[in-house]
Amino acid sequence: QQQVKQSPQSLIVQKGGISIINCAYENTAFDYFPWYQQFPGKGPALLIAIRPDVSEKKEGRFTISFNKSAKQFSLHIMDSQPGDSATYFCAAMYRGSRLTFGEGTQLTVNP
Amino acid sequence: KAGVTQTPRYLIKTRGQQVTLSCSPISGHRSVSWYQQTPGQGLQFLFEYFSETQRNKGNFPGRFSGRQFSNSRSEMNVSTLELGDSALYLCASSEDLTNTGELFFGEGSRLTVL
Repeated sequence: QQQVKQSPQSLIVQKGGISIINCAYENTAFDYFPWYQQFPGKGPALLIAIRPDVSEKKEGRFTISFNKSAKQFSLHIMDSQPGDSATYFCAAMYRGSRLTFGEGTQLTVNP
Repeated sequence: KAGVTQTPRYLIKTRGQQVTLSCSPISGHRSVSWYQQTPGQGLQFLFEYFSETQRNKGNFPGRFSGRQFSNSRSEMNVSTLELGDSALYLCASSEDLTNTGELFFGEGSRLTVL
């Protein structure tokens, strides 16, 4: 029940395209859903996060869509750029206890 | 504001040895969490400290331990190292997880066990 499933494992998009990464969770007690971006040799960096009382949150080119009934959430990257090439992790947290991470998606944006 | 600082960045140890990793959180942050990152298991929670007290612990053997000092700096220790302990160990800090949930990660300490 503590797992977070992430797909796809890898994703290749063209510059200017839309990148979509999906996550699903089981534990309905999760109350915080962040996305992290990690570049090689660096630690994960918080990208955007959402709480289950809203269905969508947008920050610049990044949007989280949240479907509470389906227990799914996704990250959309609009106008994808080569600089967005990184590994993306979804995660879920319950009452500020610990982050449960998805498996990660390696995104490559071709110029 | 300086970010989360982890030392050392890289280290090589042999089986059976022990290792201590250090983490300095962002100024003002009182919560420090530790995560292990490996290609096979991904990112896994080790433990979290707040005001020198361990609040949460992940599913790791007792060889993994940690502590937090009064200035919020934290250390983690792994004793009797095994080959499988080779990983990137990440420290993350937060003002207070129970309030914001926002974690800020350091660049990690990459441990290689030979």
